[in-house]
Amino acid sequence: GENVEQHPSTLSVQEGDSAVIKCTYSDSASNYFPWYKQELGKGPQLIIDIRSNVGEKKDQRIAVTLNKTAKHFSLHITETQPEDSAVYFCAASYGDSNYQLIWGAGTKLIIKP
Amino acid sequence: GAVVSQHPSWVICKSGTSVKIECRSLDFQATTMFWYRQFPKQSLMLMATSNEGSKATYEQGVEKDKFLINHASLTLSTLTVTSAHPEDSSFYICSAPDSTEAFFGQGTRLTVV
Repeated sequence: GENVEQHPSTLSVQEGDSAVIKCTYSDSASNYFPWYKQELGKGPQLIIDIRSNVGEKKDQRIAVTLNKTAKHFSLHITETQPEDSAVYFCAASYGDSNYQLIWGAGTKLIIKP
Repeated sequence: GAVVSQHPSWVICKSGTSVKIECRSLDFQATTMFWYRQFPKQSLMLMATSNEGSKATYEQGVEKDKFLINHASLTLSTLTVTSAHPEDSSFYICSAPDSTEAFFGQGTRLTVV
């Protein structure tokens, strides 16, 4: 079945450095790839998303790249800050709805002061 | 932006009782809503897709009679955990998409004692 793999499971970076989280997906029909940030005890919050007709998207310190041929997409956070510490999930759409999602396992991002 | 409100945020119930969780889209109409379950330090797992005015679509392995879903209006979906057992203890999250993205509720922490 459809699958999304996410790496690494834990990422610790120094404040101010960049963080990169990578995902691969299996369903070639997937066309929507969101990234979510989840803080403890809360629901996920969309931080950036990309659709299959675009290779890269940037929003201030956050960027996402998509390689449809290789079925890879990545989240890049630059100039990391303590408030970036959270669990980040990638996801890929499947089925008839853009918002029916298969989720990666999550990456715990730790920003060291 | 659009808001999805989930209630209650936490609930403790006795084994054998039923618990209802509500998911409301506050400023948009959602013909489809999604219900997820999340175990500690794990990813979100889609349980079912709630369709306004029709039966929900359940993912493989999810018991329809145990997790009752009702989507009676364009702004409200409910998940009822029937005859709850301790193994049903989990974090339940709903999601409702508008035309641009999927919005998530704040989650419900269910503890069955």
